Amino acid sequence: DIVMTQSPDSLAVSLGERATINCKSSQSVLYSSNDKNYLAWYQQKPGQPPKVLIYWASTRESGVPDRFSGSGSGTDFTLTISSLQAEDVAVYYCQQYYSTPLTFGGGTKVEIK
Amino acid sequence: EVQLVQSGAEVKKPGESLKISCKGSGYSFTNYWIGWVRQMPGKGLEWMGIIYPGDSDTRYSPSFQGQVTISADKSISTAYLQWSSLKASDTAIYYCAKTWGYSYGSQFDYWGQGTLVTVSS
Repeated sequence: DIVMTQSPDSLAVSLGERATINCKSSQSVLYSSNDKNYLAWYQQKPGQPPKVLIYWASTRESGVPDRFSGSGSGTDFTLTISSLQAEDVAVYYCQQYYSTPLTFGGGTKVEIK
Repeated sequence: EVQLVQSGAEVKKPGESLKISCKGSGYSFTNYWIGWVRQMPGKGLEWMGIIYPGDSDTRYSPSFQGQVTISADKSISTAYLQWSSLKASDTAIYYCAKTWGYSYGSQFDYWGQGTLVTVSS
């Protein structure tokens, strides 16, 4: 199984400031034949199902604000919220879909400082 | 509009059986994989398994293999997750979700609302 490790477990950021979440996979999720990283980021607010924000490591889902961006390749990935808004308070998860079981990271809770 | 509508909350006793459902609409149900994800109280997301309703090809996480059964009835666009003998540790919210692409190697783009399963004596 590919193990996904997120850091930090939680972070508190002031409104308007940058939030950075890291995700590391135990093996590469880069598929060489199409040069795509099989990694997604999800946002989950309390009482709601998760919502996809980013896929292929850096492609923003339609309707997702451009303050959310994804970067990285191979085994190391980052989700950045460039200017934190109140509505961004949530838990964020990375997920690899390179091979089954399609594992999630442990989650990062983002709060307002 | 794509929708995944899950069955309602359940309260069961240890040892009882249970089957919960996830009905898809607004898209071609047979062409996209449906996955199941567990979220225990206050915890993170766990990928349980995935099924292709077109031919019922199913993959399980080793952590859940033998503990649950995933199935689908394409005639009524519904996927299922079932237990033959529930344990207290099965208490969780269970989500179904569909893949964005035709392969299981794809992110989940639509999710059901979740089904809360409570197992208590």
